[in-house]
Amino acid sequence: EAGVTQFPSHSVIEKGQTVTLRCDPISGHDNLYWYRRVMGKEIKFLLHFVKESKQDESGMPNNRFLAERTGGTYSTLKVQPAELEDSGVYFCASSLYRDRGSANFGPGTRLLVL
Amino acid sequence: LAKTTQPISMDSYEGQEVNITCSHNNIATNDYITWYQQFPSQGPRFIIQGYKTKVTNEVASLFIPADRKSSTLSLPRVSLSDTAVYYCLVGDNNAGNMLTFGGGTRLMVKP
Repeated sequence: EAGVTQFPSHSVIEKGQTVTLRCDPISGHDNLYWYRRVMGKEIKFLLHFVKESKQDESGMPNNRFLAERTGGTYSTLKVQPAELEDSGVYFCASSLYRDRGSANFGPGTRLLVL
Repeated sequence: LAKTTQPISMDSYEGQEVNITCSHNNIATNDYITWYQQFPSQGPRFIIQGYKTKVTNEVASLFIPADRKSSTLSLPRVSLSDTAVYYCLVGDNNAGNMLTFGGGTRLMVKP
């Protein structure tokens, strides 16, 4: 079974530019999550999709972040315009069930905003 | 959400048993205790989950005392490849899967 994949693995952009991160969950997983770790901080929850619907987006930092999951398969997280403080690692996770032990994380996308 | 407290770091040697304790004094009745492991440049990986007493799987054991205010992750006979950050998470298993990560414990296994 293929795991959660994320693209790109690394991204370096300048402040003010736009970046789109992609996550492909494990096939059949209705639950998809985005998390991030900004420099020196803890891993923080961003949002949760159930299929194509946003179940919980309480962790989204501001309106520069837009997550979509059209068709309930892969998801994208767009940052527009990117700011310096957005630098960090963005993790995607997926799960079949909603219990706390079933989240399968991807390797993350390392974003550096200069 | 119950706050957790873990040691920032621990050192061990190959072949030893490692015990990492997590304090969660405000754990609620419906809360489960879950441990994740994270290697450098990878996402967190589920290790073990429990509610009370002892849980064991092929990777680790989880000991939870009767008052559930703490838990101990036990890794038997660690190897160099067990060098990682270990996170203790506490929360309601049925309240959604929003995981709240703390600082974790950075385990360094030495030869």
